[in-house]
Amino acid sequence: EAGVTQFPSHSVIEKGQTVTLRCDPISGHDNLYWYRRVMGKEIKFLLHFVKESKQDESGMPNNRFLAERTGGTYSTLKVQPAELEDSGVYFCASSQDSTGADTEAFFGQGTRLTVV
Amino acid sequence: LAKTTQPISMDSYEGQEVNITCSHNNIATNDYITWYQQFPSQGPRFIIQGYKTKVTNEVASLFIPADRKSSTLSLPRVSLSDTAVYYCLVGDGGLTGGGNKLTFGTGTQLKVEL
Repeated sequence: EAGVTQFPSHSVIEKGQTVTLRCDPISGHDNLYWYRRVMGKEIKFLLHFVKESKQDESGMPNNRFLAERTGGTYSTLKVQPAELEDSGVYFCASSQDSTGADTEAFFGQGTRLTVV
Repeated sequence: LAKTTQPISMDSYEGQEVNITCSHNNIATNDYITWYQQFPSQGPRFIIQGYKTKVTNEVASLFIPADRKSSTLSLPRVSLSDTAVYYCLVGDGGLTGGGNKLTFGTGTQLKVEL
C-alpha cells in the first residue's frame, strides 16, 4: 500500500515567486494535515482537512499561504509570493479517523523549500 | 495542549536498552501519550501510544506511572538504525473535536554507536 507522497521533494525558488506543494494522502484517509519545520525550530501544525473541508487552519502563518483539497483527495499548498522566512520542510500527514486513541498519523517524507 | 519536556540528546551502544523519559506535568484527563520517531530527511513515524500503565508492541514499550505526569519510552536492544529523533506528544487525539493536531516539541536525538 502506498504511503503519503509529497511532490516535489525539493524546491528552490526566488523570493517573490510562487510555489505549489502537493500531497497525496493514503487512499481512504479523510483527514489530511500540513505541518512545517522552519530552520532550527520545531515542527508546527499548519492546517487540517476533513475530506475537502478545512477543519482547522489556525496554524497558517499568513494569507500568502493557500491550501486546497479538491474532491477530498490530494491537497496542494501554495505559497504566493514566497518570502525568505518560508524556507523549511513542509510535511503532509493523513489519518483514517480524527478522533480517539487509534488516530495514527502517517507522514510523507516532506518537501524541502528553499527561498533565495 | 500539555507541554512536554524531554532530554535533547542521548547516546547509547548497540545491543543496549534505551529509556527516554518525557515529563508532561499538565497532562489532562482526556490526553493520550504518543511517541514518534523521525529519521533524517523523512517524516515522523508513529511508534507507540498509551493512556496509562504499560503498552508494548513489536518496536517499543511505553511505561506510564499512575499520576501520568511522565512517561518512558523503552527501546530494547537498540541498533545503529535506531539513531533518530524521538518525539513525545500529549494530546486528546481529537476527542474534543479539534482533530488529531499534533504538537511537536524539540524531541530527543538518540545516537547509537557500535
